[in-house]
Amino acid sequence: DSGVTQTPKHLITATGQRVTLRCSPRSGDLSVYWYQQSLDQGLQFLIQYYNGEERAKGNILERFSAQQFPDLHSELNLSSLELGDSALYFCASSVDVPSTDTQYFGPGTRLTVL
Amino acid sequence: ILNVEQSPQSLHVQEGDSTNFTCSFPSSNFYALHWYRWETAKSPEALFVMTLNGDEKKKGQISATLNTKEGYSYLYIKGSQPEDSATYLCAPRQAGTALIFGKGTTLSVSS
Repeated sequence: DSGVTQTPKHLITATGQRVTLRCSPRSGDLSVYWYQQSLDQGLQFLIQYYNGEERAKGNILERFSAQQFPDLHSELNLSSLELGDSALYFCASSVDVPSTDTQYFGPGTRLTVL
Repeated sequence: ILNVEQSPQSLHVQEGDSTNFTCSFPSSNFYALHWYRWETAKSPEALFVMTLNGDEKKKGQISATLNTKEGYSYLYIKGSQPEDSATYLCAPRQAGTALIFGKGTTLSVSS
């Protein structure tokens, strides 16, 4: 158990809908990262927040957005869902920004868009 | 975008065999390299963080080396056990950027 929690574990929804994925980092970790893992793809970095502020952006679609709240939990919002958004979404957390920092991954949320 | 190559894509060995995989990445602006172990139905788990050219790390029967000048890292597993079956991911990082994960090497160890 990494100490990072994600809810829900599974989510099934329809195209065009909007969903929110939630992540609680390990106690004391200030950085939260979101990743997407689709079939036959590696882990794709989406976005990073540090202490409430966006710190780095990866291959995140405009239909997706995220935020980190004062209690450091983070939410990833996915809207106008398409079939291709079906994937495993991971959240990870780390203590601080420096590049040698280890990231601890949550159990993931499996999103299925029908 | 950082191009990360891991080889082989998959590997099947017998219990007790030793094995190694390669992670290749651009050597320019290198900052750090992370190795993760990802078991089926679980989440990625950190193995090593390596920063210096020539760095070597060891955890049990798993070890890794780093060559930042030529842009590669090797992961070695000595005497593989069935519980070593997993996908091994490398993730280099350039200065000021996020981790970029390779697609991994999937190891299957038969008893």
